[in-house]
Amino acid sequence: KNQVEQSPQSLIILEGKNCTLQCNYTVSPFSNLRWYKQDTGRGPVSLTIMTFSENTKSNGRYTATLDADTKQSSLHITASQLSDSASYICAPGDSWGKLQFGAGTQVVVTP
Amino acid sequence: DTEVTQTPKHLVMGMTNKKSLKCEQHMGHRAMYWYKQKAKKPPELMFVYSYEKLSINESVPSRFSPECPNSSLLNLHLHALQPEDSALYLCASSHQQATSGNTIYFGEGSWLTVV
Repeated sequence: KNQVEQSPQSLIILEGKNCTLQCNYTVSPFSNLRWYKQDTGRGPVSLTIMTFSENTKSNGRYTATLDADTKQSSLHITASQLSDSASYICAPGDSWGKLQFGAGTQVVVTP
Repeated sequence: DTEVTQTPKHLVMGMTNKKSLKCEQHMGHRAMYWYKQKAKKPPELMFVYSYEKLSINESVPSRFSPECPNSSLLNLHLHALQPEDSALYLCASSHQQATSGNTIYFGEGSWLTVV
């Protein structure tokens, strides 16, 4: 069964600090891995997409890494801002275009 | 324009009602998706349309009926729903079905409450 595990479940960080979120997955056959940001009650917004041959991808202050051999990914947020408070969801995709969404890491940035 | 527009934003319906959720995109995308998301849970795929044909149906109950009238529109027809069907319904689209690095754009969702 395809599974996605994200850690930590929740995280509180001070504004301006960095943090790293983790994602372990068992989706097969693996094609790509996406990170999304979702504000409460709103649709997810794409942050990064990596195919199985890519190791890292950046989007502004967000940097994602992927190790397809160990089936692990991380999302690093640099110099956090209050607007970064949201749920961050890892979503590996298979070869048929189906995404498996993780439960997300709830990030709260405090002043 | 990278927008996926969903209407209505909120819908309350009785268990005997028939209603529809609508989704529209003008990005020229040929793949469109319906997801269901319960509170504090991840989105769950319901249907995928690719080039206006149903590509994936994740064993969704027949009380949910998708329709893709053209490449820009996606509907979800609702009939005889149960209270447990109350959720946020998300529409999404991408250039092609998400087998590679296509960005999937999500709408803001339609909040459905079944009473």
